[in-house]
Amino acid sequence: DADVTQTPRNRITKTGKRIMLECSQTKGHDRMYWYRQDPGLGLRLIYYSFDVKDINKGEISDGYSVSRQAQAKFSLSLESAIPNQTALYFCATSDLSRTGEYEQYFGPGTRLTVT
Amino acid sequence: RKEVEQDPGPFNVPEGATVAFNCTYSNSASQSFFWYRQDCRKEPKLLMSVYSSGNEDGRFTAQLNRASQYISLLIRDSKLSDSATYLCVVNYYGGSQGNLIFGKGTKLSVKP
Repeated sequence: DADVTQTPRNRITKTGKRIMLECSQTKGHDRMYWYRQDPGLGLRLIYYSFDVKDINKGEISDGYSVSRQAQAKFSLSLESAIPNQTALYFCATSDLSRTGEYEQYFGPGTRLTVT
Repeated sequence: RKEVEQDPGPFNVPEGATVAFNCTYSNSASQSFFWYRQDCRKEPKLLMSVYSSGNEDGRFTAQLNRASQYISLLIRDSKLSDSATYLCVVNYYGGSQGNLIFGKGTKLSVKP
């Protein structure tokens, strides 16, 4: 079983619709992240959470919101989807490794298309 | 300014070749460094951490030069299965510890 899962894996939605992407993890990590990836732009951080009561904006949070429902669950919402939010979205988790570094582990991604 | 820069490639090499990727980072406060591998339409996966003393994992060798602020990845005896995009990643402590800055990746294509 995958340690980090994302649902849905693919979604097509229309402009103006509200959509939620969900992420669950069984790694027991406190830290969770949402990224989007666009061709030629690499991975960009949308929001991150260091524990259930901690939510922080990343590099590109406008148009997005998040909810950390539990240590294992971190969801990303697009309140009113627009076409330039078409992208591949990744959830990730991290924790301090034995070598003292925060290594991140990614879910399989959600491919979102906004028409 | 937080930045991680890589040659986007593509690097097209024959099987068995040795190939090297370089990456530069702009923030001297960066403390942790990694190489991730990403296959097409898949999630990034940690390939290896990069230590000041350099480290090796089988055919892969990573080096860090803090004075020049660059990181390298050497792949020896390339395999077809090495074809992927390699992401240089830096942990930027100026923001929040544990947040990573990703380069845009270098694409490698290994041909028979």
